[in-house]
Amino acid sequence: AQKITQTQPGMFVQEKEAVTLDCTYDTSDQSYGLFWYKQPSSGEMIFLIYQGSYDEQNATEGRYSLNFQKARKSANLVISASQLGDSAMYFCAMREVGDGGSNYKLTFGKGTLLTVNP
Amino acid sequence: DGGITQSPKYLFRKEGQNVTLSCEQNLNHDAMYWYRQDPGQGLRLIYYSQIVNDFQKGDIAEGYSVSREKKESFPLTVTSAQKNPTAFYLCASTQREGWHEQYFGPGTRLTVT
Repeated sequence: AQKITQTQPGMFVQEKEAVTLDCTYDTSDQSYGLFWYKQPSSGEMIFLIYQGSYDEQNATEGRYSLNFQKARKSANLVISASQLGDSAMYFCAMREVGDGGSNYKLTFGKGTLLTVNP
Repeated sequence: DGGITQSPKYLFRKEGQNVTLSCEQNLNHDAMYWYRQDPGQGLRLIYYSQIVNDFQKGDIAEGYSVSREKKESFPLTVTSAQKNPTAFYLCASTQREGWHEQYFGPGTRLTVT
């Protein structure tokens, strides 16, 4: 079974509108972390936002916020006021404390390609 | 500026040849990782290292080898045993303590013909 599922292969949004990118995860750990990365066409991976499983507040970083629903095991990324430069692949990733808790590995979803239209 | 460098950005090799991809970081991170990305796919973990002279296999280690002789460097060798080596390879590093993001290099696009 996939640990990270991103069900939207592609999404379109109009400039200045908000968009939500979906991410669901599967883990039996109580302690875990969820990360979102942006990958422009150039290929580099840019860290956007992090949510810890014990964090009571949803994470926010500028125009990015994470809609964390622990009981549903979802960690959706919300981008407000979309800009043309937001067009990129977006990956959700999870780090689990399992495996001894010391490996710091990330498991990635397959990504969502976001296109911002002018 | 601190960061991760990978060289070269594009690499071409003939089938049957081994090739080594470079990854250097000056972030003083203990943990380093190698990922492979195929078109339209997410990242898959090849190898990782948490400390000098130690490394572990990831999910798709077959046909690859690594070394970690220095904290700053984690080169990846793609051997002739790797059946489908053409891919985009990303190196990353992170601090070992706490819940920190992984920092990524710019990647190397390897084409084997």
